[in-house]
Amino acid sequence: DTEVTQTPKHLVMGMTNKKSLKCEQHMGHRAMYWYKQKAKKPPELMFVYSYEKLSINESVPSRFSPECPNSSLLNLHLHALQPEDSALYLCASSRSGGSSYNEQFFGPGTRLTVL
Amino acid sequence: AQKVTQAQTEISVVEKEDVTLDCVYETRDTTYYLFWYKQPPSGELVFLIRRNSFDEQNEISGRYSWNFQKSTSSFNFTITASQVVDSAVYFCALSEAEGGADGLTFGKGTHLIIQP
Repeated sequence: DTEVTQTPKHLVMGMTNKKSLKCEQHMGHRAMYWYKQKAKKPPELMFVYSYEKLSINESVPSRFSPECPNSSLLNLHLHALQPEDSALYLCASSRSGGSSYNEQFFGPGTRLTVL
Repeated sequence: AQKVTQAQTEISVVEKEDVTLDCVYETRDTTYYLFWYKQPPSGELVFLIRRNSFDEQNEISGRYSWNFQKSTSSFNFTITASQVVDSAVYFCALSEAEGGADGLTFGKGTHLIIQP
């Protein structure tokens, strides 16, 4: 199984809502990542988890809250988002501590619209 | 600071033509890793290749080939006999090896259009 799955595929939420994005992989990878991609732009790194611990937070606003319950799961909790947060949110995983040694495999993404 | 430059915003060719996508990178590290990803309209990023800084061998995989030249800090990607299915946005990316997990720094991408 070489797949990273993400749910939901699409999400529309209001600025006062609380929602969560889910990412799952069963490749035994121990590093997981969240990226944000705006239209016609490259992905931008948000968070990195290594062995279930948050290792990188790229100065992301606190309205985005990541969680790694176990080595296979990665969540992104959303609260009080702004319309400019509308984007494609991509999850990725890699085999060990980082992309220095292993390529990252990406999920299909969640397309988020904030009204 | 690391940086990846893909100067070609969009390339349009007719099917069966060869096409080369350019990638120039900047890094202060002596050990680093370069990647190419394909993003079709569906949105999922598909891994194509990883190249380590200490391995300058070029690579060929079917119709795809990669030319890594440290002297010019370039990692170019060539598609031979292009097909309509090759139409996508292609990203070059860089990672600096400092131990532990790190993310990818992407170039802005090249939108490749293969016309039938």
